[in-house]
Amino acid sequence: ETGVTQTPRHLVMGMTNKKSLKCEQHLGHNAMYWYKQSAKKPLELMFVYNFKEQTENNSVPSRFSPECPNSSHLFLHLHTLQPEDSALYLCATSPGVDTEAFFGQGTRLTVV
Amino acid sequence: QKEVEQNSGPLSVPEGAIASLNCTYSDRVSQSFFWYRQYSGKSPELIMSIYSNGDKEDGRFTAQLNKASQYVSLLIRDSQPSDSATYLCAVKSSSNTGKLIFGQGTTLQVKP
Repeated sequence: ETGVTQTPRHLVMGMTNKKSLKCEQHLGHNAMYWYKQSAKKPLELMFVYNFKEQTENNSVPSRFSPECPNSSHLFLHLHTLQPEDSALYLCATSPGVDTEAFFGQGTRLTVV
Repeated sequence: QKEVEQNSGPLSVPEGAIASLNCTYSDRVSQSFFWYRQYSGKSPELIMSIYSNGDKEDGRFTAQLNKASQYVSLLIRDSQPSDSATYLCAVKSSSNTGKLIFGQGTTLQVKP
């Protein structure tokens, strides 16, 4: 138990589906992140939220849409994904923007 | 030039030896540096953070930072087979937006 919980743990979706990934934190942290980890590639930062405001969008395609409704929850809305979007999606949180980040268990996404 | 560079390995050491993992970064003004361990199929786990030049020790782990050379290293003393994992170096961007950039990771194999 890391204090950062991601659901679902596994997701298979078709290219025309719409789905959402959820991240919930119980650490009282102010910053939340979405990362993508593909096979044999480094962790790719997607989005950063600080105090519920988006501070980084790392040139992510619009088929990925983040939402941070409150300081405890972060969502990643997915629509019309491509097979190359299949990856491990990781949520992380940190007390502040200059401190260490703690990761959830990840959602393994497969796009078919 | 990649923002954070690591040798992908694998780095193979015998049990009981010292494992030395290296990382260089491009943002000269970065102030926060982290080492994560990632076991296969799991999410990254924070093992060390370092913010000042010099050495920081925590149990069998020592992180070393040289900002002038833009270089961070991790030493693992008395390596154990359970230390076999991928070690990720991460650097906080100086942009103060929370951007945390990862290297591609070094795979460590500790042979009994």
